[in-house]
Amino acid sequence: SSELTQDPAVSVALGQTVRITCQGDSLRSYYASWYQQKPGQAPVLVIYGKNNRPSGIPDRFSGSSSGNTASLTITGAQAEDEADYYCNSRDSSGNLWVFGGGTKLTVL
Amino acid sequence: EVQLVQSGAEVKKPGESLKISCKGSGYSFTSYWIGWVRQMPGKGLEWMGIIYPGDSDTRYSPSFQGQVTISADKSISTAYLQWSSLKASDTAMYYCVRGDSSGFTNWFDPWGQGTLVTVSS
Repeated sequence: SSELTQDPAVSVALGQTVRITCQGDSLRSYYASWYQQKPGQAPVLVIYGKNNRPSGIPDRFSGSSSGNTASLTITGAQAEDEADYYCNSRDSSGNLWVFGGGTKLTVL
Repeated sequence: EVQLVQSGAEVKKPGESLKISCKGSGYSFTSYWIGWVRQMPGKGLEWMGIIYPGDSDTRYSPSFQGQVTISADKSISTAYLQWSSLKASDTAMYYCVRGDSSGFTNWFDPWGQGTLVTVSS
């Protein structure tokens, strides 16, 4: 089992806001990074650090953290945001890394 | 452009050995981590391990310790993932990824295109 826990599936109406969460003890000490994976494609980094977006990632993607929970928020979800989303951070030892189990986002 | 290019798909028999590669370009290869990630068919991402080519610091997830070997040749900016004896359960897509970790912030970007490994008798 993963040290980072995500809801398996979340849905959002087109144009609405959705929050995808990631829970784990290590998140009290380390920020999460977030990855989007569409079918048949390699994952892509969308958020890292306190709330940083790599070049080319739309500003509707944002990140936040509180206690042992990190969140990825999509404000005004688009059809092209339908994908699997994974969080990643250090594990409880701080020496290794771990992924969350992933959240399948459906845009209705 | 920062890029990771992985070796091509492999079809192997159980018990065979295999070494797949990941060549970095467009950045200082010795200044970033290179991680390996497994994705079994229809499943999520699993972090396998990581190497820092600058000093060869290598770390493995407990799930993969002893099952695979991660190495790097900084002279040709290439990292490797190898198996000495493959099993059918090793059938998966394997991604390499450049990583950075400073303070409380970690990220992995970019990702290689993936290498599909199929193990079947």
